[in-house]
Amino acid sequence: DAGVTQSPTHLIKTRGQQVTLRCSPKSGHDTVSWYQQALGQGPQFIFQYYEEEERQRGNFPDRFSGHQFPNYSSELNVNALLLGDSALYLCASSFYQYTGELFFGEGSRLTVL
Amino acid sequence: KQEVTQIPAALSVPEGENLVLNCSFTDSAIYNLQWFRQDPGKGLTSLLLIQSSQREQTSGRLNASLDKSSGRSTLYIAASQPGDSATYLCAGSDSGGFKTIFGAGTRLFVKA
Repeated sequence: DAGVTQSPTHLIKTRGQQVTLRCSPKSGHDTVSWYQQALGQGPQFIFQYYEEEERQRGNFPDRFSGHQFPNYSSELNVNALLLGDSALYLCASSFYQYTGELFFGEGSRLTVL
Repeated sequence: KQEVTQIPAALSVPEGENLVLNCSFTDSAIYNLQWFRQDPGKGLTSLLLIQSSQREQTSGRLNASLDKSSGRSTLYIAASQPGDSATYLCAGSDSGGFKTIFGAGTRLFVKA
């Protein structure tokens, strides 16, 4: 049973560029949430996708956008990258009608130079 | 607005000690409370989930409790081992599980 998988694991971008991160949820899960974790901090909620729609959003600018596909996988897009966007981006999946327990991937480490 | 606070921020204990990690939250309307472990540079591993109707969960040497009225959860680790060294995070979700708010974590170091 595959868990949550994320790609790429590491990437380096320069200011102003755009990045796309990908996530495949745990088998049987239909909901994907994205988090940003700065060094030494707890994860901050970016948004959640269910049935291909953004269901809830945290306090992040419109430069952060996402998408969920019919197979429940998801993408996180960040435009006009800033140095402060450097962080570990975590994807979590859950099953909406069940306990809501979150399962996380290993994350994508983004460095913006 | 839900806020989650974890105390202490860091903890160093000798091997074999029993220890308690604390988590407090501001909104008693919390739905689920989940404890995670995170190793440096890695993702989060779910340890225990306390659902809305529950007050306690146990897994091996770990026991977590939830008291919504006081806005507190505790994670008890029995007979700590060096392999327990990691950051422990608690997170509370709202009804429906739309949004989960995390604390900043407690960094635990268990000395052999």
